[in-house]
Amino acid sequence: GQNMDQPTEMTATEGAIVQINCTYQTSGFNGLFWYQQHAGEAPTFLSYNVLDGLEEKGRFSSFLSRSKGYSYLLLKELQMKDSASYLCAVRDSNYQLIWGAGTKLIIKP
Amino acid sequence: IAGITQAPTSQILAAGRRMTLRCTQDMRHNAMYWYRQDLGLGLRLIHYSNTAGTTGKGEVPDGYSVSRANTDDFPLTLASAVPSQTSVYFCASSDRAEGHEQFFGPGTRLTVL
Repeated sequence: GQNMDQPTEMTATEGAIVQINCTYQTSGFNGLFWYQQHAGEAPTFLSYNVLDGLEEKGRFSSFLSRSKGYSYLLLKELQMKDSASYLCAVRDSNYQLIWGAGTKLIIKP
Repeated sequence: IAGITQAPTSQILAAGRRMTLRCTQDMRHNAMYWYRQDLGLGLRLIHYSNTAGTTGKGEVPDGYSVSRANTDDFPLTLASAVPSQTSVYFCASSDRAEGHEQFFGPGTRLTVL
């Protein structure tokens, strides 16, 4: 079967760094995606990894290890506006996205 | 440029009624998708279309149908709504099935009583 696992909720302090983990077991692998979703809004794209390693984009970085079925999203210099849910998704062998349930990130001043 | 739009924004529907959720994109994307999002669960794919004229079933297709008569529109129909179809429905599109990013519409909040 296909399984995505990420923590339900995390709390961090403004200005700090937080790492959100995602593990997966899917039928095939054609890339891993991270999306941000503010409450009541649509998901928006953050990052895409298809090869092992770290992809950096401003304050956000995403890491992938295909052999371990593992990814993380690293958020630096946290801002209050980063309070949102973070969704990981794997594109499987049929080129369909399998989504995790999302991690709700709460930022405290 | 609107991107991707959905209508209605929200709807309350009596069980047994037929309902069509509309989705239109103006990005000339080939691939389009319908997801439902329920609390505590990830987005789940209902139906998809990799190009105009073709459709496919996702993870949870039962009770739903779609059509893709042209590139821009991808309506989702509930033939006879049931309370378990209460959810937030998102339409998304990407330039192609292998594309790096899916763009999401604002969503439709549907309540079936």
